[in-house]
Amino acid sequence: RKEVEQDPGPFNVPEGATVAFNCTYSNSASQSFFWYRQDCRKEPKLLMSVYSSGNEDGRFTAQLNRASQYISLLIRDSKLSDSATYLCVVNAGNNRKLIWGLGTSLGVNP
Amino acid sequence: NAGVTQTPKFRVLKTGQSMTLLCAQDMNHEYMYWYRQDPGMGLRLIHYSVGEGTTAKGEVPDGYNVSRLKKQNFLLGLESAAPSQTSVYFCASSRARAVTSYEQYFGPGTRLTVT
Repeated sequence: RKEVEQDPGPFNVPEGATVAFNCTYSNSASQSFFWYRQDCRKEPKLLMSVYSSGNEDGRFTAQLNRASQYISLLIRDSKLSDSATYLCVVNAGNNRKLIWGLGTSLGVNP
Repeated sequence: NAGVTQTPKFRVLKTGQSMTLLCAQDMNHEYMYWYRQDPGMGLRLIHYSVGEGTTAKGEVPDGYNVSRLKKQNFLLGLESAAPSQTSVYFCASSRARAVTSYEQYFGPGTRLTVT
């Protein structure tokens, strides 16, 4: 089993749709979780950290389920500008290294 | 603040040539990282540094060397480039001793082709 797994997609949704991505991780000792966004041929950019209690930032909501070892990202009212690859990232236990998923591709269509 | 910058942005090397990629950050971050990103492989850590004068191996260190002589700079060297090192190289940095210290901030990348 890969350390961090994501459905690669692509997810193609119309503007205004709600879309959700899940990501599973294998290391139960992981403590920090993130969603990054990467546009084509650009660097990854931090979208949001994922906290145990779940957190929301505008149209984006992240959830953590430790029992089942997955995190999720919900995007409401999708915009064309949300088209990107969304990377799930988990810290590798008690150190500074991050384990990166391969990403889920999202296309938002007019 | 410029954040994290990388030079050069693009480079084409012949097999056996050497080069150095420069990463600079102006956020006073303690930690710095070098990654490579290849299609279907995701981001893989090459080397990282937890402070000035210290470096450590990541997941794929072979064929690369690094140096962190100044806190703000992290250099990645290829002594004898091979076609397998064709990739996009990203530098990143993060803070220390903070709840959010795992959050990494990336430079724009260097696209390297080795022929």
